[in-house]
Amino acid sequence: ETGVTQTPRHLVMGMTNKKSLKCEQHLGHNAMYWYKQSAKKPLELMFVYSLEERVENNSVPSRFSPECPNSSHLFLHLHTLQPEDSALYLCASSQDFRTGSAEAFFGQGTRLTVV
Amino acid sequence: SQQGEEDPQALSIQEGENATMNCSYKTSINNLQWYRQNSGRGLVHLILIRSNEREKHSGRLRVTLDTSKKSSSLLITASRAADTASYFCATNNDMRFGAGTRLTVKP
Repeated sequence: ETGVTQTPRHLVMGMTNKKSLKCEQHLGHNAMYWYKQSAKKPLELMFVYSLEERVENNSVPSRFSPECPNSSHLFLHLHTLQPEDSALYLCASSQDFRTGSAEAFFGQGTRLTVV
Repeated sequence: SQQGEEDPQALSIQEGENATMNCSYKTSINNLQWYRQNSGRGLVHLILIRSNEREKHSGRLRVTLDTSKKSSSLLITASRAADTASYFCATNNDMRFGAGTRLTVKP
């Protein structure tokens, strides 16, 4: 148990569906992250939130829409996805982004399959 | 921003042997971290080494840092089958990772 909880653990969705991934941390961290990990590809940093503001958006298609309503919660809203979006989506948190304590805590991930 | 690059991409050893994997980076750093990932799960932080440190130990893990060569190494001594995982490095709290080293420890 890392203190970062992701739900659901598994998700199968059609290309026309809308779904959301949820991440929750109660570690008192100020920074939260979304990653995509596809088979045989490096871990891709998608979005970074620091103090509830988006500070990085790494050329991610608009069909992925992040939301950070407060410092403990992070969502990734999904709509009209493609089969190539099937991947493991990981959430992480750390005390701060690029300053202070470097240790990041990861959730167990959501395994997404787009059919 | 920059990410560390790990090598080798894959490493297969027998239980009891030592495993060494390397990380290279391009610009100056404040710190470098190593993480581990079991298949299909989240990453777990292993150890952080600061730029003014040359070596750090944690249990069976030993990390070295050579800032002149812009490289770090992670040594796992007396490996166990349970050490089978992918290992990643990251620099400066940048939160970007390379492709990792896939370690397989055969029983």
